[in-house]
Amino acid sequence: DAGVIQSPRHEVTEMGQEVTLRCKPISGHDYLFWYRQTMMRGLELLIYFNNNVPIDDSGMPEDRFSAKMPNASFSTLKIQPSEPRDSAVYFCASSYSGSANEQFFGPGTRLTVL
Amino acid sequence: DAKTTQPPSMDCAEGRAANLPCNHSTISGNEYVYWYRQIHSQGPQYIIHGLKNNETNEMASLIITEDRKSSTLILPHATLRDTAVYYCIVRDKAAGNKLTFGGGTRVLVKP
Repeated sequence: DAGVIQSPRHEVTEMGQEVTLRCKPISGHDYLFWYRQTMMRGLELLIYFNNNVPIDDSGMPEDRFSAKMPNASFSTLKIQPSEPRDSAVYFCASSYSGSANEQFFGPGTRLTVL
Repeated sequence: DAKTTQPPSMDCAEGRAANLPCNHSTISGNEYVYWYRQIHSQGPQYIIHGLKNNETNEMASLIITEDRKSSTLILPHATLRDTAVYYCIVRDKAAGNKLTFGGGTRVLVKP
């Protein structure tokens, strides 16, 4: 398996633009997580899904952020409109409930909002 | 989930064992101890987890004290590639699959 796949790996955009980050979890995994990492706040959980259903979105900073999981092999995190303070590395992770719940992380998307 | 306390940084010598401490004095009976690490510019990587008993796998050993208020991650023979931030996380499996990452310990393995 190729592991968790994220795209793009790097994104530079201007304030006010819409940004869409994509994630393909490991096949067979039933949990998907979106995290954000900054120097100031560390690694924060934004939202997670179980069987494509959002379970906990309490970490989503505000209404500008939305996440979807239309099927078991794809998820998106959208920011509209983007702001400079959204600049961060965004990680997607997946796990399988039948295992040790070990989460497998993708390589991340480095987002810069100018 | 219970809070954990880790030293912010530590150095260790290549080839020697690295012992990483973690305090979790408010841990409850259902909570597991997980360890992850994050090598620079990569996503976090699972290392090991345990409940009460000591655990060992191909990466590391986890020693949990009898009262479960603290634990130690042991990297038996540290290499330069083990330089990373190591996170100790306490998690109740029954409460969902969330992981709450703290500041971790920045480990520098020196030649």
